[in-house]
Order: sequence, then structure tokens, then C-alpha cells
Amino acid sequence: NAGVTQTPKFRVLKTGQSMTLLCAQDMNHEYMYWYRQDPGMGLRLIHYSVGEGTTAKGEVPDGYNVSRLKKQNFLLGLESAAPSQTSVYFCASSAAGGSYEQYFGPGTRLTVT
Amino acid sequence: TQLLEQSPQFLSIQEGENLTVYCNSSSVFSSLQWYRQEPGEGPVLLVTVVTGGEVKKLKRLTFQFGDARKDSSLHITAAQPGDTGLYLCASRKAAGNKLTFGGGTRVLVKP
Repeated sequence: NAGVTQTPKFRVLKTGQSMTLLCAQDMNHEYMYWYRQDPGMGLRLIHYSVGEGTTAKGEVPDGYNVSRLKKQNFLLGLESAAPSQTSVYFCASSAAGGSYEQYFGPGTRLTVT
Repeated sequence: TQLLEQSPQFLSIQEGENLTVYCNSSSVFSSLQWYRQEPGEGPVLLVTVVTGGEVKKLKRLTFQFGDARKDSSLHITAAQPGDTGLYLCASRKAAGNKLTFGGGTRVLVKP
């Protein structure tokens, strides 16, 4: 099993450009999440999904959009990138109930110049 | 929003020494998880604690949940270079699947 995969691994954007980050999981998990990680600030939740076709805002949703058209995929979009969105982005998934353990992907390092 | 404070922010020790990192909040946790993140990778779950006063051991790692369920600690005995990483605590509200993460403690174990 691949677990949680993310593409791309690295990306450099210019201010105003758009891009989509793709997350895929093969564990049949109901829940999926997008986080950003900045130095000294741990992980902050951007958006999450409790099932196919549903999404919800997290702690820092502004400037991002998401879609969950298929259960195994969760897409994070930046419509007009800003330097403040320079960060490392992590996708995670978890099963419903149980220990609520979240399984993380390897991350995408995004730089906006 | 439940805020989690982790201390210290950074810890550098020699191989063989012991260390303790802390996770504190002003609110009561429903449950608390500890994750370790190695450079260039995503966090990986180490343990989940649920009951106040609970102590869990994972080889050389000992996790304690405070009696009032507002704090937790992670103690590493005889640290090894492989213990190097970012240690994150995360709490979950009583209802729901979302986690709130602390800022992390970066641990460096020198050989």
C-alpha cells in the first residue's frame, strides 16, 4: 500500500499564479485533511472533508479551495498565489471513529515569489 | 479554539541522556496524540492517551497524561540519534475528528 501520496513534491510559483495540489489515499478512509506547516507553528488545518462530495473550512481557509469528487482524492487549489502562502503543505487521512489516527503524506514544499 | 503550547521549542542533547518535552493547554483534552516528524516527511503517530493519569510506554518513550487532562509529557530515556525529529502533540475535541496541533519541540540527539 502506498498510504497517502502527494503531488507535486516541490513547486515554485509567482505571485498571482494558480495551482492545484493533489492528495490520494488507498486506505479507504472517510476523512481527509489539508494542513500547512510553518516554522514554530506546528500544523494548521486549512480545509477538511468527512466524505466524498463534502468539504468544510478549517482554521486558515482563506485563499484556498478544495474538492473531494472521489473518496480517495482530495484536491487543494490556490487561485491566486501570494507570498504568505509559501509553506509546506501536508495532506492526511483518517478512518471514521477508532483512535482517530491521522496518516500523513510526505508533503509539498511551495514557494511563492 | 483550543491552544496547545509545547515546551521547550528546541532541545539538543548528547546520545545516552534523558529528555522530557511538555504539552499544555488551558482546556481539557478529550484525547491527546503524540506524533514524530522526521525531516522531509509527514508526522507519524506514536501514541494516543485518553484517560487522565494514563501512562503509556513505547520502548524508551514514556507518555503521561495529566490527571486533569490539560497537560501531557513525553520522556525519552537514553536518547539515540534516531530519536532526532520534531515532536508534535495534538488534541481532539469530544465530538469530531479534527485535531489541533501544538507548535512542536525539535529534538536533536548528537552521537
